[in-house]
Amino acid sequence: GIQVEQSPPDLILQEGANSTLRCNFSDSVNNLQWFHQNPWGQLINLFYIPSGTKQNGRLSATTVATERYSLLYISSSQTTDSGVYFCASGGGSNYKLTFGKGTLLTVNP
Amino acid sequence: KAGVTQTPRYLIKTRGQQVTLSCSPISGHRSVSWYQQTPGQGLQFLFEYFSETQRNKGNFPGRFSGRQFSNSRSEMNVSTLELGDSALYLCASSPVAGTDTQYFGPGTRLTVL
Repeated sequence: GIQVEQSPPDLILQEGANSTLRCNFSDSVNNLQWFHQNPWGQLINLFYIPSGTKQNGRLSATTVATERYSLLYISSSQTTDSGVYFCASGGGSNYKLTFGKGTLLTVNP
Repeated sequence: KAGVTQTPRYLIKTRGQQVTLSCSPISGHRSVSWYQQTPGQGLQFLFEYFSETQRNKGNFPGRFSGRQFSNSRSEMNVSTLELGDSALYLCASSPVAGTDTQYFGPGTRLTVL
């Protein structure tokens, strides 16, 4: 099956700093999503981005499908950005997402 | 639109018991997926349903089962609970296919004593 690897596993920032999270996937996919898990456990969908670049406020994401990686950029980080960021990929008709192990982001005031 | 809802939010059971968790998808969404999250194994796919049909099942024992009703609501059942079944169980819905944009519910936190 598809393998998804995320880096770094942990990241500590000061408020206002920028960061880049990376997601590598092992096979061609037609689905790549980024999620933020808040302290209460809810997964919030950030981007559906099988290819190309998208931006939403201070967050943006780029997926280069031919090279099998995706990047999530967080600019001017805020303490509310803290939490775990997951990428997940899926392909074909197996109707499931395979998640990476996540990046734990801590933004200090 | 209301989001994905899951009930109950918290549950404590003892080994050997069985449990049923419920998930109501976003109105109009026909695909429902279930995931188990544990500190050791991370997020793992359990199963996906569409129009009352299970289209894929993850690598879990037969004690884990599910179903979907005609109104797209879904339930999952775990029989003969084991300590290792303690986890956060997350349900997600999407409009059609199980790999469209997924919208997750708040989860059910199951503790097995």
